[in-house]
Amino acid sequence: DTGVSQDPRHKITKRGQNVTFRCDPISEHNRLYWYRQTLGQGPEFLTYFQNEAQLEKSRLLSDRFSAERPKGSFSTLEIQRTEQGDSAMYLCASSPGGGSYGYTFGSGTRLTVV
Amino acid sequence: EDQVTQSPEALRLQEGESSSLNCSYTVSGLRGLFWYRQDPGKGPEFLFTLYSAGEEKEKERLKATLTKKESFLHITAPKPEDSATYLCAVAYNQGGKLIFGQGTELSVKP
Repeated sequence: DTGVSQDPRHKITKRGQNVTFRCDPISEHNRLYWYRQTLGQGPEFLTYFQNEAQLEKSRLLSDRFSAERPKGSFSTLEIQRTEQGDSAMYLCASSPGGGSYGYTFGSGTRLTVV
Repeated sequence: EDQVTQSPEALRLQEGESSSLNCSYTVSGLRGLFWYRQDPGKGPEFLFTLYSAGEEKEKERLKATLTKKESFLHITAPKPEDSATYLCAVAYNQGGKLIFGQGTELSVKP
């Protein structure tokens, strides 16, 4: 296991199109997180999963955003009807859960909406 | 409101010139404070976790300290390869959600 992997690394899409990103966490980690980062800012929390259950969603996650983690393994983040304001780096992270709060981040997916 | 603020926003150092980065936080029930390093176009890389006031952690030229209201990342005799953005984050509930500061962009010139 080489860490958290995200696919694709880069995505350019036209406004109004739907996009889907994938995250494969470290296999023994049962918590998975999605964050969004814009230039010059720190990552902002979007949502997280404990196994397959989505336990918390940020108010940043509008109804155009949906995330899933079927079977508690990989996760997908879908953005419908993309807007230019959705352009950002989308980061996935995983952690063992329990009393451990340290994350391992993936390299992110850079989304550009034109 | 739970908040994390980092200063300065940018820091330029000469190689060998030691300095400190600050992270101040206002959260209730701190469960951990984290430092990450982020290189351009990459995800954050974990550096340290601090759990209680008075705790210190070291790694190579970096040393992180924690008080009840802030944390410092001390960089001793930095090298150009230490150039990166350094992010501070806090965990404050059982879910493990982190609140990040905006980061300090460090540039070390030879």
